[in-house]
Amino acid sequence: EAGVTQFPSHSVIEKGQTVTLRCDPISGHDNLYWYRRVMGKEIKFLLHFVKESKQDESGMPNNRFLAERTGGTYSTLKVQPAELEDSGVYFCASSQEWDRVGYEQYFGPGTRLTVT
Amino acid sequence: AQSVTQLGSHVSVSEGALVLLRCNYSSSVPPYLFWYVQYPNQGLQLLLKYTSAATLVKGINGFEAEFKKSETSFHLTKPSAHMSDAAEYFCAVSDFGEKLTFGTGTRLTIIP
Repeated sequence: EAGVTQFPSHSVIEKGQTVTLRCDPISGHDNLYWYRRVMGKEIKFLLHFVKESKQDESGMPNNRFLAERTGGTYSTLKVQPAELEDSGVYFCASSQEWDRVGYEQYFGPGTRLTVT
Repeated sequence: AQSVTQLGSHVSVSEGALVLLRCNYSSSVPPYLFWYVQYPNQGLQLLLKYTSAATLVKGINGFEAEFKKSETSFHLTKPSAHMSDAAEYFCAVSDFGEKLTFGTGTRLTIIP
């Protein structure tokens, strides 16, 4: 079974440009999460999809970030326009429906974004 | 609000020695607690989780953690360190299947 995949693995862009990150969750996982780790700090939650709906987007930094999940499958996270402070590693995770026993979020390898 | 504190951003132990990585949490509800590991150039991998069953949780690669409610702790241990344990370790707390709140991570170095 394929794990969570993310594309690209690395992206270097200039301030003011646009970047789109993609996440493909494990097949059948309704829950999809985005997290970000800025260098030297903790991994922080950005948002949570249940199927195609945004369940919780309380961690989105500002309106330069736009997340979508087409048909409840893959998700994209667009940053427009990018700022220097957006640099970091963006992780995607997916999980099955919460059952209070077997809950686990499976993480992708991350996309390292560098804004210069 | 939930929070996690990991004491020690860097820990070094000799090969064969005890590994102890500390994690304290704050939660207003019974927590679900996790330890994840990130090896170089890889994603986060779940080591173990506490979901209100046994307080001593055994995970992969010989790691275990004990949930102590009175101390609000969930420290990670391994009796004998191996070179392959060198990685970054993250403690996290979650409430009923929602978002994970992570600590700042502890980078473990194994000294030959």
